[in-house]
Amino acid sequence: QVQLVESGGGLVKPGGSLRLSCAASGFTFSDYYMSWIRQAPGKGLEWVSYISSSGSTIYYADSVKGRFTISRDNAKNSLYLQMNSLRAEDTAVYYCARLMTSDAFDIWGQGTMVTVSS
Amino acid sequence: QSALTQPASVSGSPGQSITISCTGTSSDVGGYNYVSWYQQHPGKAPKLMIYEVSNRPSGVPDRFSGSKSGNTASLTISGLQAEDEADYYCSSYTSSSPVVFGGGTKLTVL
Repeated sequence: QVQLVESGGGLVKPGGSLRLSCAASGFTFSDYYMSWIRQAPGKGLEWVSYISSSGSTIYYADSVKGRFTISRDNAKNSLYLQMNSLRAEDTAVYYCARLMTSDAFDIWGQGTMVTVSS
Repeated sequence: QSALTQPASVSGSPGQSITISCTGTSSDVGGYNYVSWYQQHPGKAPKLMIYEVSNRPSGVPDRFSGSKSGNTASLTISGLQAEDEADYYCSSYTSSSPVVFGGGTKLTVL
């Protein structure tokens, strides 16, 4: 079935780095734009970044621009988020999601928790 | 990009109808028909309920409907059921950023 599975979350100190991965299955990964969305504990959803199907077009939220890098490997059906210079306010559950042409996210992973704390 | 404005909470009794509003500007909700709605139960990932203002994905009950007037989009749930109790988020394409979410609305079924 269509599925997204995130991994790579954990506890990291402020200023540290972490790399999240998202494994896709059940659909032609290379046909779809993909995105990362996060949710701080007890808070709402915040869009983080998206990448086009080929990887040639990338957007970031202002809150992560210059610190996070999204990438994908279509041969491995995988999406990545390299997070550097992490701050306490980056603490959140990070979801990967498939983007429809209508700018809606129709498939979501289960999320991976990132905690930035000393 | 500022978040879209949603009421913090709404409530209704089983069988009733409720409406959740999502207010933006002419640069997002009012300017494009790319408004989506998501349902999120505690500890779970969000689920797409409505896309392109009023379209339902396969499997979403027709009790859920969406509409838009000017800069405000709305999600209506009719025949409220206990399992509808959840957080609901709207989102929209924007002229300055690919997507912006609303702050979320907690629906309580009394």
